[in-house]
Amino acid sequence: GQNIDQPTEMTATEGAIVQINCTYQTSGFNGLFWYQQHAGEAPTFLSYNVLDGLEEKGRFSSFLSRSKGYSYLLLKELQMKDSASYLCAVRDRVNAGKSTFGDGTTLTVKP
Amino acid sequence: DGGITQSPKYLFRKEGQNVTLSCEQNLNHDAMYWYRQDPGQGLRLIYYSQIVNDFQKGDIAEGYSVSREKKESFPLTVTSAQKNPTAFYLCASSIGSRGANVLTFGAGSRLTVL
Repeated sequence: GQNIDQPTEMTATEGAIVQINCTYQTSGFNGLFWYQQHAGEAPTFLSYNVLDGLEEKGRFSSFLSRSKGYSYLLLKELQMKDSASYLCAVRDRVNAGKSTFGDGTTLTVKP
Repeated sequence: DGGITQSPKYLFRKEGQNVTLSCEQNLNHDAMYWYRQDPGQGLRLIYYSQIVNDFQKGDIAEGYSVSREKKESFPLTVTSAQKNPTAFYLCASSIGSRGANVLTFGAGSRLTVL
């Protein structure tokens, strides 16, 4: 099975940088996703890492270390609209069509 | 525009009733999924289907049923056997396990049991 841990809540200031961590213990790993979910809405895809290292996409970057079972999502130049929940999800190795989600990290951006 | 349509957006059910949530996609995706989300929690997988006429149980399938008779459609029935059905239900699709399996979600259906 999969066990995924994320901090429950984080607060940051507009214009700052914030790092949201995700640790996982899995019976088989086949990639890690980050999704953003605004309150009451559906999640939207942010990033996918399958190899170790940093993937950069505009203001958002995602890092993966498979040996440590660790990932983070880095958000730069924070904007008020970045206030949302950020969900880490791990893709199953045996059944590649299946992903398991963490409970999410609620980020609040303050002026 | 391609996407996933879920209906209804809000649904109220009396105890003992079955309800069916609709999910239709026009993305030509092979795989479809149903997730349940409770307040302050992540998504838990109910059922998924990687091909027409085939589906598998997820982590919390008890009290739910699905069908996949067409590629575009994956309805979820919440039966009276589901003891705590009040939740936010999300349908998703993906190109399937051949690719990165990025999920595209519908807008969700919020079910409340009265």
